Amino acid sequence: DVKVTQSSRYLVKRTGEKVFLECVQDMDHENMFWYRQDPGLGLRLIYFSYDVKMKEKGDIPEGYSVSREKKERFSLILESASTNQTSMYLCASSSSTGLFGAHYGYTFGSGTRLTVV
Amino acid sequence: KQEVTQIPAALSVPEGENLVLNCSFTDSAIYNLQWFRQDPGKGLTSLLLIQSSQREQTSGRLNASLDKSSGRSTLYIAASQPGDSATYLCAVRPTAAGNKLTFGGGTRVLVKP
Repeated sequence: DVKVTQSSRYLVKRTGEKVFLECVQDMDHENMFWYRQDPGLGLRLIYFSYDVKMKEKGDIPEGYSVSREKKERFSLILESASTNQTSMYLCASSSSTGLFGAHYGYTFGSGTRLTVV
Repeated sequence: KQEVTQIPAALSVPEGENLVLNCSFTDSAIYNLQWFRQDPGKGLTSLLLIQSSQREQTSGRLNASLDKSSGRSTLYIAASQPGDSATYLCAVRPTAAGNKLTFGGGTRVLVKP
């Protein structure tokens, strides 16, 4: 089974701190994604990456940056955490290549609940 | 721009009843459609994936159908159990290389014992 692992289930950080959320996948997927999920707003795409060192902005990139130095790891960075970044953060991966790669859908991690105080 | 809608937003049924969850999308040019389950405070678990060329997919008590021309997918859960209580989300993928899923808002299901 494809596994997407997020390093922390719960995080509490102070306003102004630099925060790193880590995500690792073990199926050699090209694409990786960071979403945030808030009540009433659904899932919103923050950033995604379709290759090592490549990144593209999603729908709500402000206040965030990402890093993808290795294919299996995609990091979300909050440069200066603010209370409005308190949310559930979900990482996902998918494949676009290979004979059946694109047939296998998206796999999500178990989420990181971030609270900024 | 693709829009995905799930109605109703919440559903409550007695145990044993069959569940029918709806997902509609505005642009029929999709590559595949995926159904997910989400328990409170947890990530998304993939339930079923239907390719655009398929009409339905089955896994155990779950059956998902796809009618691309009318922009609809339905997830059926037979003989519901309290453990089926969760939020169910559908998402469409535009192309094989498409990197952005479009999600519905989800249907929150409660199965009462």
